[in-house]
Amino acid sequence: AQKITQTQPGMFVQEKEAVTLDCTYDTSDPSYGLFWYKQPSSGEMIFLIYQGSYDQQNATEGRYSLNFQKARKSANLVISASQLGDSAMYFCAMREGQGAQKLVFGQGTRLTINP
Amino acid sequence: EAQVTQNPRYLITVTGKKLTVTCSQNMNHEYMSWYRQDPGLGLRQIYYSMNVEVTDKGDVPEGYKVSRKEKRNFPLILESPSPNQTSLYFCASSVDRGINSPLHFGNGTRLTVT
Repeated sequence: AQKITQTQPGMFVQEKEAVTLDCTYDTSDPSYGLFWYKQPSSGEMIFLIYQGSYDQQNATEGRYSLNFQKARKSANLVISASQLGDSAMYFCAMREGQGAQKLVFGQGTRLTINP
Repeated sequence: EAQVTQNPRYLITVTGKKLTVTCSQNMNHEYMSWYRQDPGLGLRQIYYSMNVEVTDKGDVPEGYKVSRKEKRNFPLILESPSPNQTSLYFCASSVDRGINSPLHFGNGTRLTVT
């Protein structure tokens, strides 16, 4: 079974609009961490934001925030005031307490920001 | 600057010619890992290491070897590369294997085996 599901293969958004990238996860482990990464066309993987399963508040990092709904097992990434440089692939990933020897990735969402 | 450095960025080789992709991190991280990224298959873990001299297989270890003789270095060795190992490879490290430890990735190595 897929541990991380990203249902949006591609999204197109106008510059300066906010965008939400969806991520749902599947785990029975009470301890886990959720991560979002950005992969621009140049190929590198850039860590954006982290949310722990025990965190009471949604994580924020600059224009990035994480809409964490634990009961729904969703961890959506919200990018406010999108910029052209936000065009990239975005990956949601999870590290479970019992399996933290690896980060499990979703298939990714390709975000395109239109001017 | 804190970083994971992997070399080379691009590599074209022929079937059967042994190669090594180097990876080094300057953050004193305990945990290091190799991933490969393929279209339609996403990112898959090849090997990981939780500390010096401690390595273990990930999801797709066949055809690869690793070693961790020093904390900072974690080379990936392909003893006899084959075309199905053509891929984008990433080395990554984290402070430890804790659930709150993000992986920091190198810039990737694009390998083509002909």
